[in-house]
Amino acid sequence: SQTIHQWPATLVQPVGSPLSLECTVEGTSNPNLYWYRQAAGRGLQLLFYSVGIGQISSEVPQNLSASRPQDRQFILSSKKLLLSDSGFYLCAWNRDRAYEQYFGPGTRLTVT
Amino acid sequence: AQSVTQLGSHVSVSEGALVLLRCNYSSSVPPYLFWYVQYPNQGLQLLLKYTSAATLVKGINGFEAEFKKSETSFHLTKPSAHMSDAAEYFCAVSQPGGSQGNLIFGKGTKLSVKP
Repeated sequence: SQTIHQWPATLVQPVGSPLSLECTVEGTSNPNLYWYRQAAGRGLQLLFYSVGIGQISSEVPQNLSASRPQDRQFILSSKKLLLSDSGFYLCAWNRDRAYEQYFGPGTRLTVT
Repeated sequence: AQSVTQLGSHVSVSEGALVLLRCNYSSSVPPYLFWYVQYPNQGLQLLLKYTSAATLVKGINGFEAEFKKSETSFHLTKPSAHMSDAAEYFCAVSQPGGSQGNLIFGKGTKLSVKP
């Protein structure tokens, strides 16, 4: 069976500090990978998705970036965090040509 | 453009009562539709999905949803609420043949279950 992991589970970072969140999927190969941000009362916002190694599509302009260095690894980064980057970050995956997505446990980021 | 509207950001029911969470979608072509559940500080879990087969879809934990094209709706129901159903529920739409990542979520409905 497939499993998706995210870490860290929680993170408190000061404004202006860098960020690195990691997501890995086990039990499948060549998954599509997604990063979402969830803010209170605003539902889920798709930030990035990737259909393969090194292939990243950005949905929303911001100071975040994503990378996919390995087939089942997806990383969300920032060079300098803003207060507005606080939120719950979710990684998700699906198989090629499938529409339902499967979510990881999430990372709660608080920027102070 | 596709969109999803969930009517009611908060719904409260008594234990044993009917649960009805509303979802309406906007799509130029027949969509695929999904319901997810999220417990506090956890990721989203797929409850059920509609992908153009039977219009009445059964999911996990006793939930079901009915696709009604004439009403552009995909409401989620459960005959008898349990305390463990308290969570936030998200409706989502994806357009067949659309670009990868094209899963549009509603803003969620928080369900409370009173004893």
